[in-house]
Amino acid sequence: QVQLVQSGAEVKKPGASVKVSCKASGYSFTDYYIHWVRQAPGQGLEWMGWINPNSGDTDYAQKFQGRVTMTRDTSISTASMELNSLRSDDTAVYYCARRGWIDDSSAYYYLDYWGQGTLVTVSS
Amino acid sequence: AIQMTQSPSSLSASVGDRVTITCRASQGIGNELAWYQQKLGKAPNLLIYGASSLHSGVPARFSGSGTGTDFTLTITSLQPEDFATYYCLQDYNYPWTFGQGTKVEIK
Repeated sequence: QVQLVQSGAEVKKPGASVKVSCKASGYSFTDYYIHWVRQAPGQGLEWMGWINPNSGDTDYAQKFQGRVTMTRDTSISTASMELNSLRSDDTAVYYCARRGWIDDSSAYYYLDYWGQGTLVTVSS
Repeated sequence: AIQMTQSPSSLSASVGDRVTITCRASQGIGNELAWYQQKLGKAPNLLIYGASSLHSGVPARFSGSGTGTDFTLTITSLQPEDFATYYCLQDYNYPWTFGQGTKVEIK
């Protein structure tokens, strides 16, 4: 069965960096994009960007440009998201999610499998 | 970026009620919209994609409709396990954007 298993909770100081990993299993890792979404405490969902595990190509939300780097290691079917220059408002649960698709009369994309989430706390 | 405006932000309903949540896009997105359910402390679950297609395993009491800028998620006969927060997500273009969420609470 498809699973995305994320790394454990992190506590970081302002200005530091954090790297969250997402290990995929149960499907061909290079066939599906991985997206990252975060959720601040008590808040809604915020889309951060994606990585194509096959090519390594990425696209980031403008808000995170220059601070986020998404990478992958195909040898261990793992995607990672690194966020730099952390601030207190980066405190959130970070999710990875697989972008599925269906090609009917049109192609539809969706996030069909999600990791369990990784809580990143930024505090001095 | 396309803005997604979801309403209401919260609602109270009883088991068996019919519930409707709406999502409006700031520009036309065809039918490239999905709906997700999120329970407290859990990752979101996909309900609907392509505005109206039911994801595998999702109960038929969930349905979606709409095209262009206005979309609706309907839950017929609300069940106890449906009390959760619901989000729309446009996948028409990047950056993908979520609505702000609708919390469905027990009346």
